[in-house]
Amino acid sequence: AQSVAQPEDQVNVAEGNPLTVKCTYSVSGNPYLFWYVQYPNRGLQFLLKYITGDNLVKGSYGFEAEFNKSQTSFHLKKPSALVSDSALYFCAVRPLSGGYNKLIFGAGTRLAVHP
Amino acid sequence: DAGVIQSPRHEVTEMGQEVTLRCKPISGHNSLFWYRQTMMRGLELLIYFNNNVPIDDSGMPEDRFSAKMPNASFSTLKIQPSEPRDSAVYFCASRQVTGTGDYTGELFFGEGSRLTVL
Repeated sequence: AQSVAQPEDQVNVAEGNPLTVKCTYSVSGNPYLFWYVQYPNRGLQFLLKYITGDNLVKGSYGFEAEFNKSQTSFHLKKPSALVSDSALYFCAVRPLSGGYNKLIFGAGTRLAVHP
Repeated sequence: DAGVIQSPRHEVTEMGQEVTLRCKPISGHNSLFWYRQTMMRGLELLIYFNNNVPIDDSGMPEDRFSAKMPNASFSTLKIQPSEPRDSAVYFCASRQVTGTGDYTGELFFGEGSRLTVL
């Protein structure tokens, strides 16, 4: 089955420190991978995507993600965390078969940035 | 643009009642998705439409759930009869799929409809 896994329910980081939110995928072939963020009582917002090309993808709000094919990972990173980054983060994959126009989301990781 | 608009934002109803959730996608978007979010199951895709046509409804949990998209600017998700286990936040999302079949565009989500079934 094509899926993404987010192994951490929650990540705690001190403000100013680098942050990493992990995502691994299970897709045969070349995956299309995405990160979305959800603030409290809001819908999800797009952060960035990997389709092809450079393995390091830059997105909104200073976030970036690194595609690693050998480790089947697509971790979200930011060099210096802000308290305002505290939110729920979702990794997602677009299936390569059985529905090109849908996204399958991971369970989500709650990021808590402490002052 | 006002974004994806969902109504109602909050609905509290009693078991057995009919619930109708509404969505207005972003103008010009030709794909529409209904997702359900719960603590236990996370974010689940219920159904999606391309050009107002339902493409994949394999995520619809039971026959009690139905979705329609009568035109490009409106969709409904109906639950009849509702049950307490249907309590969740229901999100509508839309995006534009180009004529060349680019399915990698950003998905725009509404603010969600929080449903509580007592």
